[in-house]
Amino acid sequence: QVQLVQSGAEVKKPGSSVKVSCKASGGTFSSYAISWVRQAPGQGLEWMGGIIPIFGTANYAQKFQGRVTITADESTSTAYMELSSLRSEDTAVYYCTAYCSGGSCYSGTGYYYMDVWGKGTTVTVSS
Amino acid sequence: DIQMTQSPSSLSASVGDRVTITCQASQDISNYLNWYQQKPGKAPKLLIYDASNLETGVPSRFSGSGSGTDFTFTISSLQPEDIATYYCQQYDNLPGITFGGGTKVEIK
Repeated sequence: QVQLVQSGAEVKKPGSSVKVSCKASGGTFSSYAISWVRQAPGQGLEWMGGIIPIFGTANYAQKFQGRVTITADESTSTAYMELSSLRSEDTAVYYCTAYCSGGSCYSGTGYYYMDVWGKGTTVTVSS
Repeated sequence: DIQMTQSPSSLSASVGDRVTITCQASQDISNYLNWYQQKPGKAPKLLIYDASNLETGVPSRFSGSGSGTDFTFTISSLQPEDIATYYCQQYDNLPGITFGGGTKVEIK
């Protein structure tokens, strides 16, 4: 069973960058999609983008294009989400997710459904 | 991006009541719609995929319907453990995956 373990909480200054990690256990990491979803306090869910490690190319939501970089290290089964030029509105819980129904995790369709989630990483942006 | 308008934003119902939430897409998304449940302090949980398919292990009191632009999520008999916020999510066009604004369900 796939589990996603995220890095710990971060406090950052406006204008700086943050890099959140998501380590996967189980499944064939390189072949399934990992997405990043964030949730500001008291707000809804926002899909930021994702990556299929074996393909290497990430997909980004238009809102975050140019400010977010999603990468993956197959050797450690870890995905990363780096958000730059942080502002107070980026204060949120950041989740990594995957789709692993029936014991297998999915690549292309792995972006569409999200049934495995990390516990979330709280990023606070404050001066 | 495709906008997802979810209503109501909150509701209060009694245990045993039938609860209905709607989600409207700004353009035709076929059946490319999922529903999630999120309890406070927890990650979301996938309940319904492809508009009407129940995820394995999800109680049958949860159901979904619709296609095109109009979708409905129903809890046939509200239980205390169903207190949560529910979100719809469309995946018609990658990378424009978007969620509805959420519906907070409370017990009256």
